[in-house]
Amino acid sequence: DAMVIQNPRYQVTQFGKPVTLSCSQTLNHNVMYWYQQKSSQAPKLLFHYYDKDFNNEADTPDNFQSRRPNTSFCFLDIRSPGLGDAAMYLCATSRAPGGRETQYFGPGTRLLVL
Amino acid sequence: AQKVTQAQTEISVVEKEDVTLDCVYETRDTTYYLFWYKQPPSGELVFLIRRNSFDEQNEISGRYSWNFQKSTSSFNFTITASQVVDSAVYFCALSEAGDDMRFGAGTRLTVKP
Repeated sequence: DAMVIQNPRYQVTQFGKPVTLSCSQTLNHNVMYWYQQKSSQAPKLLFHYYDKDFNNEADTPDNFQSRRPNTSFCFLDIRSPGLGDAAMYLCATSRAPGGRETQYFGPGTRLLVL
Repeated sequence: AQKVTQAQTEISVVEKEDVTLDCVYETRDTTYYLFWYKQPPSGELVFLIRRNSFDEQNEISGRYSWNFQKSTSSFNFTITASQVVDSAVYFCALSEAGDDMRFGAGTRLTVKP
């Protein structure tokens, strides 16, 4: 089955220690998104890639970076995690950018910062 | 700016009851898209439906049905004969033609046996 895969499902890191979350997809979609979801809140878009073009949301902290080495993979790097960065991180894909396209989500990575 | 309101924070029903989750949206665009996603305790957001602004026809899929009414800017979701497995957080979302998807705050549905 075509899908969006996120590894690991749970990640524990230390305050200030860089961490990388990964996402891969077998849908061959052109767009990949990263969302942050804190407890009892809606997902919040951090940034997305349309092919190799990176699109950052205006209020995404500089502490968050992303890489997309190829169509299938996208990484979220948190350079110096703070306690406030503990959250669920969701990766999603869509065939094309724009509002008409449906986004398909992975299972998420739950990040704990100690 | 686009906006989605899900006024019901939490709903609790007993199995086999019908339940309706409300979604009210705001947009100035004439072309827009509405979505519903389900987020079970496992965390994955599961796509349920997409509806574009030019298609007001209601949709039924098994026990799920959606009522889209442009006159009241609502896109409500009804689960008939609810089951324990329906327990989840349900998000309504809106996107305009050239913009990203914006989620409502979500409604937590608990179905008790």
